Amino acid sequence: QSALTQPPSASGSPGQSVTISCTGTSSDVGGSNYVSWYQQHPGKAPKLMIYEVTKRPSGVPDRFSGSKSGNTASLTVSGLLAEDEADYYCSSNAGSNNIAFGTGTKVTVL
Amino acid sequence: EVQLVESGGGLVQPGGSLRLSCAVSGFSLSSFWMHWVRQAPGKGLVWVSSLNSDGRTTNYADSVKGRFTISRDNAKNTLFLQMNSLRAEDTAVYYCVRQRSNSLDYWGQGTLVTVSS
Repeated sequence: QSALTQPPSASGSPGQSVTISCTGTSSDVGGSNYVSWYQQHPGKAPKLMIYEVTKRPSGVPDRFSGSKSGNTASLTVSGLLAEDEADYYCSSNAGSNNIAFGTGTKVTVL
Repeated sequence: EVQLVESGGGLVQPGGSLRLSCAVSGFSLSSFWMHWVRQAPGKGLVWVSSLNSDGRTTNYADSVKGRFTISRDNAKNTLFLQMNSLRAEDTAVYYCVRQRSNSLDYWGQGTLVTVSS
């Protein structure tokens, strides 16, 4: 039950795009269509932003998009807004009904 | 409206026990997989345990296997996490979470468990 690997930080200016990677193995990210992304503001509970690699829940802006290639999934936030500054976590099914989370990425809007 | 409200956290000594509760509303526990996820202070999210929709299948992270037990009371629409033999490394905010479409779509506000002498 190892954590998926994310960069500790990412940043961009308002209006720019930022992409966060999430690297696992063929036993989790690479072998699963169930990769999700969560946004967490300080002191708050996480919020689902992307599920099943590319799908957005109702109410999530289309500025948020997901993709996957091999063992690496990615979250792209386009048209950065100040409110997008938060921690972001990926997750994937990891076999035997376990869930693996990423190490987390702090996104800073410059 | 879907709501999940955790309770039962607090300060406990190493080796002690605590029972967390998660009262849900706006949906039936018996229709969804449910999970507990924890987050140590300043750290990332870690999956702890899950219970399937019919209540018969449980799963645990290796770090809590044999010490924690997940269960539910359908009549009260409440999910539980019984935590025994607590260790300092169990200190965290514990979130109750609903699963839908193979993702965790609704999260409670969390309850803080502190294991310390």
